[in-house]
Amino acid sequence: AQSVTQLDSHVSVSEGTPVLLRCNYSSSYSPSLFWYVQHPNKGLQLLLKYTSAATLVKGINGFEAEFKKSETSFHLTKPSAHMSDAAEYFCVVSDGGYSTLTFGKGTMLLVSP
Amino acid sequence: DTGVSQNPRHKITKRGQNVTFRCDPISEHNRLYWYRQTLGQGPEFLTYFQNEAQLEKSRLLSDRFSAERPKGSFSTLEIQRTEQGDSAMYLCASSLARQAPFKETQYFGPGTRLLVL
Repeated sequence: AQSVTQLDSHVSVSEGTPVLLRCNYSSSYSPSLFWYVQHPNKGLQLLLKYTSAATLVKGINGFEAEFKKSETSFHLTKPSAHMSDAAEYFCVVSDGGYSTLTFGKGTMLLVSP
Repeated sequence: DTGVSQNPRHKITKRGQNVTFRCDPISEHNRLYWYRQTLGQGPEFLTYFQNEAQLEKSRLLSDRFSAERPKGSFSTLEIQRTEQGDSAMYLCASSLARQAPFKETQYFGPGTRLLVL
Protein backbone atom coordinates (compact mmCIF):
# COMPACT_ATOMS: atom_id res chain seq x y z
CA ALA A 1 0.00 0.00 0.00
CA GLN A 2 1.18 3.51 -0.73
CA SER A 3 1.10 6.49 1.63
CA VAL A 4 2.57 9.95 1.98
CA THR A 5 3.52 11.92 5.08
CA GLN A 6 4.16 15.63 4.85
CA LEU A 7 6.07 16.38 8.00
CA ASP A 8 5.02 20.01 8.43
CA SER A 9 1.53 21.40 8.15
CA HIS A 10 2.88 24.97 7.97
CA VAL A 11 6.28 26.39 7.02
CA SER A 12 7.11 30.08 7.40
CA VAL A 13 10.06 31.71 5.62
CA SER A 14 11.19 35.21 4.80
CA GLU A 15 11.40 36.35 1.22
CA GLY A 16 14.81 35.54 -0.22
CA THR A 17 15.56 32.66 2.19
CA PRO A 18 15.63 28.96 1.27
CA VAL A 19 12.51 26.79 1.28
CA LEU A 20 12.40 23.17 2.46
CA LEU A 21 9.13 21.21 2.43
CA ARG A 22 9.53 17.67 3.71
CA CYS A 23 7.84 14.55 2.39
CA ASN A 24 8.25 10.88 3.25
CA TYR A 25 6.51 8.14 1.34
CA SER A 26 5.73 4.47 1.61
CA SER A 27 5.40 2.35 -1.49
CA SER A 28 5.48 -1.34 -2.31
CA TYR A 29 6.88 -0.86 -5.77
CA SER A 30 8.92 1.67 -7.69
CA PRO A 31 6.92 4.79 -7.07
CA SER A 32 6.20 7.85 -9.13
CA LEU A 33 6.36 10.96 -6.98
CA PHE A 34 4.94 14.40 -7.63
CA TRP A 35 4.72 17.80 -6.01
CA TYR A 36 1.64 19.91 -6.73
CA VAL A 37 0.96 23.49 -5.63
CA GLN A 38 -2.49 24.94 -4.91
CA HIS A 39 -3.00 28.68 -4.89
CA PRO A 40 -6.26 30.02 -3.43
CA ASN A 41 -9.17 29.73 -5.86
CA LYS A 42 -6.97 28.10 -8.47
CA GLY A 43 -6.52 24.53 -9.60
CA LEU A 44 -3.69 22.30 -8.50
CA GLN A 45 -0.60 22.80 -10.62
CA LEU A 46 2.19 20.28 -11.14
CA LEU A 47 5.56 21.56 -9.92
CA LEU A 48 7.64 18.50 -10.75
CA LYS A 49 7.58 14.71 -10.95
CA TYR A 50 9.90 11.78 -10.48
CA THR A 51 9.30 8.65 -12.54
CA SER A 52 12.51 6.59 -12.10
CA ALA A 53 14.86 8.70 -14.19
CA ALA A 54 17.28 11.19 -12.56
CA THR A 55 16.94 11.33 -8.77
CA LEU A 56 17.29 15.12 -8.70
CA VAL A 57 14.25 16.56 -10.39
CA LYS A 58 13.97 20.17 -11.46
CA GLY A 59 10.56 21.78 -11.70
CA ILE A 60 8.97 25.07 -12.50
CA ASN A 61 9.61 28.37 -10.70
CA GLY A 62 13.01 27.29 -9.39
CA PHE A 63 11.78 24.35 -7.32
CA GLU A 64 13.56 21.01 -7.22
CA ALA A 65 13.26 17.75 -5.32
CA GLU A 66 15.56 14.83 -4.66
CA PHE A 67 14.35 11.24 -4.58
CA LYS A 68 16.20 9.35 -1.82
CA LYS A 69 15.18 5.71 -1.82
CA SER A 70 17.21 4.81 1.29
CA GLU A 71 15.42 7.51 3.28
CA THR A 72 12.06 7.13 1.46
CA SER A 73 12.02 10.89 1.09
CA PHE A 74 11.18 13.37 -1.65
CA HIS A 75 11.76 16.79 -0.12
CA LEU A 76 10.99 19.95 -2.08
CA THR A 77 13.47 22.82 -2.05
CA LYS A 78 13.98 26.27 -3.50
CA PRO A 79 17.07 28.42 -2.93
CA SER A 80 15.24 31.71 -2.51
CA ALA A 81 11.59 32.20 -1.63
CA HIS A 82 9.41 34.70 -3.43
CA MET A 83 6.18 36.20 -2.15
CA SER A 84 4.31 34.50 -4.99
CA ASP A 85 5.40 31.08 -3.63
CA ALA A 86 2.94 31.40 -0.75
CA ALA A 87 0.47 28.56 -1.32
CA GLU A 88 -0.34 25.02 -0.23
CA TYR A 89 1.96 22.26 -1.47
CA PHE A 90 1.04 18.59 -1.83
CA CYS A 91 3.39 15.64 -2.09
CA VAL A 92 1.85 12.81 -4.10
CA VAL A 93 2.81 9.17 -4.65
CA SER A 94 1.69 6.56 -7.11
CA ASP A 95 2.83 2.94 -6.91
CA GLY A 96 3.97 1.34 -10.12
CA GLY A 97 1.50 0.23 -12.71
CA TYR A 98 -2.07 1.40 -12.40
CA SER A 99 -2.15 2.62 -8.81
CA THR A 100 -4.08 5.77 -8.11
CA LEU A 101 -2.51 8.97 -6.79
CA THR A 102 -2.27 9.32 -3.01
CA PHE A 103 -1.93 12.90 -1.79
CA GLY A 104 -0.36 14.05 1.46
CA LYS A 105 -2.29 16.39 3.74
CA GLY A 106 -0.46 19.41 2.42
CA THR A 107 2.02 21.97 3.71
CA MET A 108 1.04 25.62 3.77
CA LEU A 109 4.00 27.83 2.85
CA LEU A 110 3.88 31.33 4.28
CA VAL A 111 6.33 33.92 2.93
CA SER A 112 6.87 37.16 4.80
CA PRO A 113 8.51 40.30 3.39
CA ASP B 1 -5.76 25.43 -24.40
CA THR B 2 -8.22 26.98 -22.01
CA GLY B 3 -7.57 24.53 -19.19
CA VAL B 4 -9.96 22.35 -17.26
CA SER B 5 -13.20 24.07 -16.31
CA GLN B 6 -15.73 23.08 -13.68
CA ASN B 7 -19.25 24.29 -13.08
CA PRO B 8 -20.68 25.44 -10.84
CA ARG B 9 -17.82 26.79 -8.74
CA HIS B 10 -19.97 26.80 -5.62
CA LYS B 11 -23.10 24.88 -4.67
CA ILE B 12 -25.18 25.10 -1.51
CA THR B 13 -27.90 22.50 -1.08
CA LYS B 14 -30.10 21.02 1.59
CA ARG B 15 -29.60 17.54 2.89
CA GLY B 16 -31.45 15.01 0.80
CA GLN B 17 -31.31 16.98 -2.44
CA ASN B 18 -29.53 15.79 -5.57
CA VAL B 19 -26.68 17.79 -7.09
CA THR B 20 -24.79 17.50 -10.37
CA PHE B 21 -21.39 18.93 -11.23
CA ARG B 22 -19.85 19.28 -14.65
CA CYS B 23 -16.23 19.07 -15.77
CA ASP B 24 -14.92 20.09 -19.18
CA PRO B 25 -11.42 18.71 -19.73
CA ILE B 26 -8.70 20.07 -21.98
CA SER B 27 -9.99 19.29 -25.44
CA GLU B 28 -7.52 16.64 -26.62
CA HIS B 29 -7.25 14.87 -23.25
CA ASN B 30 -8.75 11.39 -23.19
CA ARG B 31 -8.40 10.66 -19.47
CA LEU B 32 -10.55 12.38 -16.88
CA TYR B 33 -10.35 12.03 -13.09
CA TRP B 34 -12.58 13.06 -10.19
CA TYR B 35 -11.24 13.77 -6.69
CA ARG B 36 -12.74 14.98 -3.43
CA GLN B 37 -10.92 17.30 -1.06
CA THR B 38 -12.13 17.96 2.47
CA LEU B 39 -10.87 20.71 4.73
CA GLY B 40 -7.31 20.14 5.88
CA GLN B 41 -6.82 17.08 3.70
CA GLY B 42 -5.28 16.38 0.34
CA PRO B 43 -7.46 15.34 -2.57
CA GLU B 44 -8.74 11.76 -2.57
CA PHE B 45 -9.31 9.80 -5.76
CA LEU B 46 -12.92 8.98 -6.64
CA THR B 47 -12.99 7.65 -10.20
CA TYR B 48 -11.47 7.96 -13.64
CA PHE B 49 -12.42 7.59 -17.29
CA GLN B 50 -10.49 6.78 -20.38
CA ASN B 51 -12.56 8.18 -23.21
CA GLU B 52 -16.14 7.24 -22.28
CA ALA B 53 -15.24 4.15 -20.25
CA GLN B 54 -15.21 4.39 -16.45
CA LEU B 55 -12.22 2.22 -15.59
CA GLU B 56 -11.81 2.55 -11.85
CA LYS B 57 -13.89 3.61 -8.87
CA SER B 58 -12.71 4.23 -5.34
CA ARG B 59 -14.46 2.71 -2.35
CA LEU B 60 -15.21 6.34 -1.42
CA LEU B 61 -17.67 6.41 -4.30
CA SER B 62 -20.81 5.17 -2.57
CA ASP B 63 -23.98 4.11 -4.38
CA ARG B 64 -25.26 7.67 -4.08
CA PHE B 65 -22.50 8.88 -6.39
CA SER B 66 -22.54 8.38 -10.13
CA ALA B 67 -20.24 9.72 -12.81
CA GLU B 68 -20.63 9.72 -16.55
CA ARG B 69 -18.61 10.81 -19.52
CA PRO B 70 -20.81 10.50 -22.58
CA LYS B 71 -18.96 10.67 -25.88
CA GLY B 72 -15.66 10.91 -24.04
CA SER B 73 -15.78 14.67 -23.69
CA PHE B 74 -17.23 16.45 -20.63
CA SER B 75 -18.09 14.54 -17.48
CA THR B 76 -20.76 14.87 -14.83
CA LEU B 77 -20.67 13.80 -11.20
CA GLU B 78 -24.05 13.39 -9.53
CA ILE B 79 -24.65 12.97 -5.83
CA GLN B 80 -28.10 11.72 -4.85
CA ARG B 81 -29.69 12.28 -1.45
CA THR B 82 -26.85 14.49 -0.28
CA GLU B 83 -25.59 14.22 3.29
CA GLN B 84 -23.68 16.76 5.35
CA GLY B 85 -20.60 14.57 5.07
CA ASP B 86 -20.61 15.18 1.31
CA SER B 87 -19.56 18.79 1.91
CA ALA B 88 -16.18 19.12 0.21
CA MET B 89 -14.36 20.47 -2.81
CA TYR B 90 -14.84 18.25 -5.85
CA LEU B 91 -11.91 18.41 -8.24
CA CYS B 92 -11.66 17.28 -11.82
CA ALA B 93 -8.42 16.62 -13.68
CA SER B 94 -7.59 15.52 -17.21
CA SER B 95 -4.57 14.07 -18.94
CA LEU B 96 -3.39 12.80 -22.29
CA ALA B 97 -2.78 9.06 -22.17
CA ARG B 98 0.85 8.31 -22.91
CA GLN B 99 1.74 6.10 -19.99
CA ALA B 100 -0.08 4.06 -17.40
CA PRO B 101 -2.80 6.08 -15.69
CA PHE B 102 -1.65 8.27 -12.80
CA LYS B 103 1.90 8.54 -14.16
CA GLU B 104 1.31 11.26 -16.68
CA THR B 105 0.75 14.88 -15.71
CA GLN B 106 -2.80 15.61 -14.60
CA TYR B 107 -4.20 19.10 -15.16
CA PHE B 108 -6.67 20.15 -12.50
CA GLY B 109 -9.69 22.39 -12.67
CA PRO B 110 -10.49 24.97 -9.97
CA GLY B 111 -13.02 22.69 -8.28
CA THR B 112 -16.65 22.86 -7.21
CA ARG B 113 -17.18 23.62 -3.55
CA LEU B 114 -20.25 21.85 -2.16
CA LEU B 115 -21.91 22.78 1.11
CA VAL B 116 -24.73 20.56 2.35
CA LEU B 117 -26.90 22.18 5.02
